[in-house]
Amino acid sequence: AQSVTQLGSHVSVSEGALVLLRCNYSSSVPPYLFWYVQYPNQGLQLLLKYTTGATLVKGINGFEAEFKKSETSFHLTKPSAHMSDAAEYFCAVSEESTLTFGKGTMLLVSP
Amino acid sequence: DVKVTQSSRYLVKRTGEKVFLECVQDMDHENMFWYRQDPGLGLRLIYFSYDVKMKEKGDIPEGYSVSREKKERFSLILESASTNQTSMYLCASSPSGHQLAYEQYFGPGTRLTVT
Repeated sequence: AQSVTQLGSHVSVSEGALVLLRCNYSSSVPPYLFWYVQYPNQGLQLLLKYTTGATLVKGINGFEAEFKKSETSFHLTKPSAHMSDAAEYFCAVSEESTLTFGKGTMLLVSP
Repeated sequence: DVKVTQSSRYLVKRTGEKVFLECVQDMDHENMFWYRQDPGLGLRLIYFSYDVKMKEKGDIPEGYSVSREKKERFSLILESASTNQTSMYLCASSPSGHQLAYEQYFGPGTRLTVT
């Protein structure tokens, strides 16, 4: 079975600072990888995904992620945090017909 | 715009009650999923369905059942609710059949409290 590890259940940054949320996965086959965001009391919204091709993937709201096969990583970054980025972020890997999710990282943004 | 709707945002039920959570998608997707979300545990898959009248157990099916009589509707049933089923329940759908999942589209969630 595949698994996803998100380092840090909480990450705190100041407004304008770099955002880095870490995700490592285990997979026996080339994976499809996803980042989702969840705002309070809402469902999950897709930020970006990697399927094939370019390993640097750009998503919505200025986020991007890089697939590094050698490191089995898919870290999420944003150059400059906004207050509106405060939310919970989930990394996921595709396994046949389902997704396996990490436990999530809560991003806290301070003024 | 794609849409997944869930019948209730908040629900309070008593221990032992039979509970139905309904999910409807308007995207003609083959796959539908039910997850529960608990703090520190992320999303855990309860059941999924890749076609009408088909269902597959996920990671935590105990205490739950599902029904998919129509392509657009996927119901989660708690036969006899217990307090440890207090949680946020999320429904999702995705295209394609028995193949690698494409992105899943999520509903807003139902926060169920069992007292």
